[in-house]
Amino acid sequence: GENVEQHPSTLSVQEGDSAVIKCTYSDSASNYFPWYKQELGKRPQLIIDIRSNVGEKKDQRIAVTLNKTAKHFSLHITETQPEDSAVYFCAASKADSWGKLQFGAGTQVVVTP
Amino acid sequence: EAGVVQSPRYKIIEKKQPVAFWCNPISGHNTLYWYLQNLGQGPELLIRYENEEAVDDSQLPKDRFSAERLKGVDSTLKIQPAELGDSAVYLCASAWTSSSNEQFFGPGTRLTVL
Repeated sequence: GENVEQHPSTLSVQEGDSAVIKCTYSDSASNYFPWYKQELGKRPQLIIDIRSNVGEKKDQRIAVTLNKTAKHFSLHITETQPEDSAVYFCAASKADSWGKLQFGAGTQVVVTP
Repeated sequence: EAGVVQSPRYKIIEKKQPVAFWCNPISGHNTLYWYLQNLGQGPELLIRYENEEAVDDSQLPKDRFSAERLKGVDSTLKIQPAELGDSAVYLCASAWTSSSNEQFFGPGTRLTVL
């Protein structure tokens, strides 16, 4: 089955700097890659997603890039703010899995003022 | 719109006791998921429902776990008997359909087994 690895497990950045989280997946049939943000004690929330027919997608300060050949995708957060502090999860699914998401282990991002 | 509702938010029980978690998905969402989230890990799928039918329960430990979604709306996940290793957060999520990629998560139930 699909295996998703996520790095780093923790990331500390200075406010205003950029943060990058990387994920690799094993199943070349995967075609949907969402990123979820989970604040402490709260529910995971979708922040951005990308499909395999697109190489990059941007939404204000966050962007996701996908390299299908290398089977990896990354989340980029620019101009980080304290409210970006949370755990970020990447995930992958494929068209015939009917919405079954395989999640990475998560990255704890801490933005220090 | 109202989000996915779960109750209770927290549950503490002794091992070997039964426990049940309840989930009310977003109105109109046909697909419902139960996930297990261990500390420091991503959610892991336990079971997926399409309306009232469990279409993927391959990762549900059926010796002690059971789930139901009788009318295709609310769902209940049960553990009987609970073991120490079951301590985790149990998340419910819903989607319009299984082909609607975005899943909306509930706040979860944090289970502690003593």
